This record gives sequence, structure tokens and C-alpha cells, in this order.
Amino acid sequence: EAQVTQNPRYLITVTGKKLTVTCSQNMNHEYMSWYRQDPGLGLRQIYYSMNVEVTDKGDVPEGYKVSRKEKRNFPLILESPSPNQTSLYFCASSAGGLNTGELFFGEGSRLTVL
Amino acid sequence: KQEVTQIPAALSVPEGENLVLNCSFTDSAIYNLQWFRQDPGKGLTSLLLIQSSQREQTSGRLNASLDKSSGRSTLYIAASQPGDSATYLCAVKGQGGSEKLVFGKGTKLTVNP
Repeated sequence: EAQVTQNPRYLITVTGKKLTVTCSQNMNHEYMSWYRQDPGLGLRQIYYSMNVEVTDKGDVPEGYKVSRKEKRNFPLILESPSPNQTSLYFCASSAGGLNTGELFFGEGSRLTVL
Repeated sequence: KQEVTQIPAALSVPEGENLVLNCSFTDSAIYNLQWFRQDPGKGLTSLLLIQSSQREQTSGRLNASLDKSSGRSTLYIAASQPGDSATYLCAVKGQGGSEKLVFGKGTKLTVNP
């Protein structure tokens, strides 16, 4: 089954404790992206990747890192989480980028930073 | 800076009604526009993707139109069903090399049996 898998789905952590949210897709998609969704602010793009070793900032990259060492994986790293990073995070992928490709989303990862 | 607005924020209709959801964007220089559905606690599911050169796209009971010059798109849902209850979001991709999507905040639709 074609899917985008995120882990963990739910996480409660404390300020400053490094964490990684993993994202994996089994569709051989070149394009992958991370979003955060907050009440009243909607979905905002954090980082995206056009292919292996190619990443670029979205609209809200501060406090986040990403890497794309393999085509199927695109982990989101919070080096020193802060309470304002409490949010619902989504990973998405697309074949060939956003020009022609439908975007497939994971189920989301709800992060709480205390 | 592109801004995407969806009005109303919430809509409640009786089952069987035809309805229209609206999406407007401030910069008409878009590459494409995509409509999504989001169920509570779930990720987004792509419904329709309209390229800037297209006027509309159809899938089953759904029809999306695009008027780029006026900065508007509509999502028409025919013969609504309770299973259509969800939040509907539109997102636009700008022209140029940027691979960014700008999302509206969505319209929460409730279809009552």
C-alpha cells in the first residue's frame, strides 16, 4: 500500500531535549516536505527536499533541521525543542515535485514540548 | 507575499444539498491550485489539482474551478452526504522555481443526516 509513515504519532517532551520525527515513503517520490499545523495559523511549510541531498527552507524553518540521505526518508530534527514548537506535524511526498504531482500526507505527529 | 483565504470557516448543510466552498488568493501568478480534505486526527488527502492553464477539474461528485485572473477557486460538491463532513483546504503553488505551497485555513463542513 502506498503510504507516508511518520513516527512517533504522539510525543511529549521537555524543553531542550533533542528529538527526531521520522518520515518514510514507499512510493519512490523525489519530493518530500514537512509542515506544521497550528490553530488559527493553518498549515505552514518548514522544509522541503527535491531529491537526495537537496533540501531547502520553507516559511518557518527556525529551530528545525532536516536531512535527506536516502530517497525514502526525510527526518525532522528538533535540536533544542521549545514550547512554541508544540504543534501537529505532517510529512508529505510527491512524485516529481509540486508542478504536476499530487501531494500525499502522513497521518501526523502531535508534539508537546513542556 | 501570497495569502490564501477560505470563507466561510465553517458550514453546516442538510444531506443531499449541493454546495460550494470558496478559496481566494492574493497573487494571481500561480502555477497550480490543489484542494485537500482533512478528517479529524488525520492527514490531508488530495482531492483535485488544477494547473494554471486549466479552468476546472472533476472527480466524481466534486468539481473544482479556477479563475486565475480574479484570484478565485471554488469546490463544488454535488448531492452532499454525511461522509463528506471534513475540513477542506486549498493550497496554491507560485510560479518560478519555488517548491512551496501556501495553504488556506480551511472550511469545516458538516453534512447533517
